Amino acid sequence: GAVVSQHPSRVICKSGTSVKIECRSLDFQATTMFWYRQFPKQSLMLMATSNEGSKATYEQGVEKDKFLINHASLTLSTLTVTSAHPEDSSFYICSASFDPTSGQYFGPGTRLTVT
Amino acid sequence: QQQVKQSPQSLIVQKGGISIINCAYENTAFDYFPWYQQFPGKGPALLIAIRPDVSEKKEGRFTISFNKSAKQFSLHIMDSQPGDSATYFCAASKKTGANNLFFGTGTRLTVIP
Repeated sequence: GAVVSQHPSRVICKSGTSVKIECRSLDFQATTMFWYRQFPKQSLMLMATSNEGSKATYEQGVEKDKFLINHASLTLSTLTVTSAHPEDSSFYICSASFDPTSGQYFGPGTRLTVT
Repeated sequence: QQQVKQSPQSLIVQKGGISIINCAYENTAFDYFPWYQQFPGKGPALLIAIRPDVSEKKEGRFTISFNKSAKQFSLHIMDSQPGDSATYFCAASKKTGANNLFFGTGTRLTVIP
C-alpha cells in the first residue's frame, strides 16, 4: 500500500520551454503532497507543500512563478517548471501523506534535463 | 541551518557486518523519526520509523535506537548485505502542522562482499 507514482520518469526539454511533472497517489487519498528537489549526492530540499484545493506553500528561496504547483484532487499534484533553464536540471521528487501521523510516501522521481 | 545532523557521510562495511548510522536533532517538537533508503535514480523508500515513546524498534535486520534525552537516534543494519548498498537518510517531523520532514544529509553505505 501507499504507492506514489510520478510521470514522466525522465524528461529533456529546451531552454525557455515549460515542463509539467505529475505526481499521483495510487491507493490512498493524499491530503498533503510535497515537492522536493535533489542535486547529485545531496539531500532532498523541500520546495513546496500543497493541500488539495489550496494554494501551495513555498519554501524560502523557491520562486513561485517559476515552479507552479497545482493540487487539483486528492490523488494528483502537478509541478510545472516554467521557462526552464539549464540550472533547473535536477531530480524532482514528490511525496504524499494521508494524515499528519502517517509520514510521507515518496514517488520514484523525475530526472529533468534542460538543454 | 541543518535541523537534523547525520553521520557518517559515507560508510563501508564488510558483508555480514553491522552498519550504524547516527542522527541528532535539537528541536524537541519533533516526534516522528523515519529512515529512508534511496537507490541511485530512485525516490526514497520508507524503511522504518520510530516515535519518542519507545527506545527501540526492530523490523527484520533493521533497528532504530532512540535516545530522547540525548536527542539522538540511530539506524543499525544487522548482517549487512551488498544489496543494502544505498544512501540512507534520517528525518524528523513535528506532531502538528503539515508534517514537513527535515532530512539529514544522507549516508552512502557500501557493503563489500
